Amino acid sequence: SQELEQSPQSLIVQEGKNLTINCTSSKTLYGLYWYKQKYGEGLIFLMMLQKGGEEKSHEKITAKLDEKKQQSSLHITASQPSHAGIYLCGARGGSQGNLIFGKGTKLSVKP
Amino acid sequence: GAVVSQHPSRVICKSGTSVKIECRSLDFQATTMFWYRQFPKKSLMLMATSNEGSKATYEQGVEKDKFLINHASLTLSTLTVTSAHPEDSSFYICSARPRGVKNTEAFFGQGTRLTVV
Repeated sequence: SQELEQSPQSLIVQEGKNLTINCTSSKTLYGLYWYKQKYGEGLIFLMMLQKGGEEKSHEKITAKLDEKKQQSSLHITASQPSHAGIYLCGARGGSQGNLIFGKGTKLSVKP
Repeated sequence: GAVVSQHPSRVICKSGTSVKIECRSLDFQATTMFWYRQFPKKSLMLMATSNEGSKATYEQGVEKDKFLINHASLTLSTLTVTSAHPEDSSFYICSARPRGVKNTEAFFGQGTRLTVV
């Protein structure tokens, strides 16, 4: 079965600093999703990547999928306290067409 | 984007009672909805797949008699935790995919924090 490994597990950065979160899959990715979650709340969709080498940006967040489609990175530029939360990568790989998820990366941004 | 509404957001119940959680797609139809459970510091685990008009498909290790799923319409799926125990306390979240649309994101509800006392 497919597994997603996220790193780091947690991250504390100073406001204004850049950061990167990685997601590595045990199998080829056919659709990689990034979500943000605040504790005790639902998932907010950020971006979806499908093609090898694809890169998407939204405001200060950029996500990339590598050419081999087994690794994705999420990069935040000039982090702000509003970026704090848990970032989850998900991939189509479940037997029911569901998404499977990494364990998440907890991001804290110090003012 | 499409909206999935999950209710209630928080519920506290006594051991032995049952709790129903609703998942509604507000502006689209969903033939399939997914129910996940989230444990602290662990990834979201799929519990079951809810299919409109048919029986739900449960993942291995999930008791179908304990976690009853009903998908009565194209916009509503319910999860009922029967005879709740403290170990059922968790965060439950549903997701739905628009009917007939491929390669789109799955939309998630706000989640339900269940505490069994």
